[in-house]
Amino acid sequence: DAKTTQPTSMDCAEGRAANLPCNHSTISGNEYVYWYRQIHSQGPQYIIHGLKNNETNEMASLIITEDRKSSTLILPHATLRDTAVYYCIVRVAPNTGGFKTIFGAGTRLFVKA
Amino acid sequence: DTGVSQDPRHKITKRGQNVTFRCDPISEHNRLYWYRQTLGQGPEFLTYFQNEAQLEKSRLLSDRFSAERPKGSFSTLEIQRTEQGDSAMYLCASSYGLAFYTGELFFGEGSRLTVL
Repeated sequence: DAKTTQPTSMDCAEGRAANLPCNHSTISGNEYVYWYRQIHSQGPQYIIHGLKNNETNEMASLIITEDRKSSTLILPHATLRDTAVYYCIVRVAPNTGGFKTIFGAGTRLFVKA
Repeated sequence: DTGVSQDPRHKITKRGQNVTFRCDPISEHNRLYWYRQTLGQGPEFLTYFQNEAQLEKSRLLSDRFSAERPKGSFSTLEIQRTEQGDSAMYLCASSYGLAFYTGELFFGEGSRLTVL
């Protein structure tokens, strides 16, 4: 699975959009981009994933560049409860045999009042 | 709540003792994963089951570690002769294993091990 590069930490004001970048310049054509987050003392929580189109769900939006070498997770209106470590992961699609999700160190997002 | 449950949530033991953690996955999930997480690091993959078959073990899983999933439902992770370096959060996750599976893992809240 391709490796990702994320900033170690970021700050965001409450109520503003949080934009978390991720570089994955060695991503392969059959690899998806996944985002998870981990709130203190809890297990990681799935947020969203995509292949090449932008995706949106009730939690966040995922913007993937046309060359797929980077992506941005957007939390449109960050709240204090969004303070967490956010992990960007690339992995092959499970229906092609991939099963292992490898986590990096992630980005620690601090949402401030 | 029908999420992934782990037991115990916290375990303090003395070096050299054996410990066992249990994971109950979401009932319709046939894939189960164990991860280990130390302070400030992301979760590290340890092992993976599809039904009762253990399909992959990380090199992190030394001979002192053994995982089982005897009936394809709950799983146990045993650490024999614990060492201080085993102190970590042990996370269990489960997922579907169907053709349309999206890749989403559902994690439990983890079992925190402290080895004195």
